Amino acid sequence: DQQVKQNSPSLSVQEGRISILNCDYTNSMFDYFLWYKKYPAEGPTFLISISSIKDKNEDGRFTVFLNKSAKHLSLHIVPSQPGDSAVYFCAVQFLTGNQFYFGTGTSLTVIP
Amino acid sequence: EAGVTQFPSHSVIEKGQTVTLRCDPISGHDNLYWYRRVMGKEIKFLLHFVKESKQDESGMPNNRFLAERTGGTYSTLKVQPAELEDSGVYFCASSSDIRSYNSPLHFGNGTRLTVT
Repeated sequence: DQQVKQNSPSLSVQEGRISILNCDYTNSMFDYFLWYKKYPAEGPTFLISISSIKDKNEDGRFTVFLNKSAKHLSLHIVPSQPGDSAVYFCAVQFLTGNQFYFGTGTSLTVIP
Repeated sequence: EAGVTQFPSHSVIEKGQTVTLRCDPISGHDNLYWYRRVMGKEIKFLLHFVKESKQDESGMPNNRFLAERTGGTYSTLKVQPAELEDSGVYFCASSSDIRSYNSPLHFGNGTRLTVT
């Protein structure tokens, strides 16, 4: 029973355009939502997060949107750069819990 | 600061053998997690230590897996005896605070385990 679903295994985007990565979750009680980025042969690294009391958080070229009614999370990268090519995982957490639940990842390729 | 380090980076063993994975968290991080990713699937929680105590081991697949964190520093994850389905990448992560808005997880580069 997967708590987090990333239905697009891969995405290709032209350099300079917007990349939109999507994530759906099952439990409306999750408190915290995160995106991690992973390069080959490396561990995931934290990218950006948002708490359940907000609907948008921005950090430079990266913006995370939270739609609680739809139980949907998205990551926008604008403008996309070749160095953004990586696998992106969304993750969720209960504030009172200790587990992070991760999705299956979306492999983003930014074409120069 | 030094990041989370894992050893070995790769391990190839035969079914029935024993393998021990090691993780050194970031110094001062009380929270240590083990996760596993089977190819193409989600990164799945195995267990969580707070210092030397197991806080949650609900993700451990079965009793062939044993994790320890003696003295609250480094941790080991032993698989004995290994089965084919144990193959995957084992990630260790640490954080200073259990509440992610204070401190997200810092991951190591993982150990790729192949059981043949």
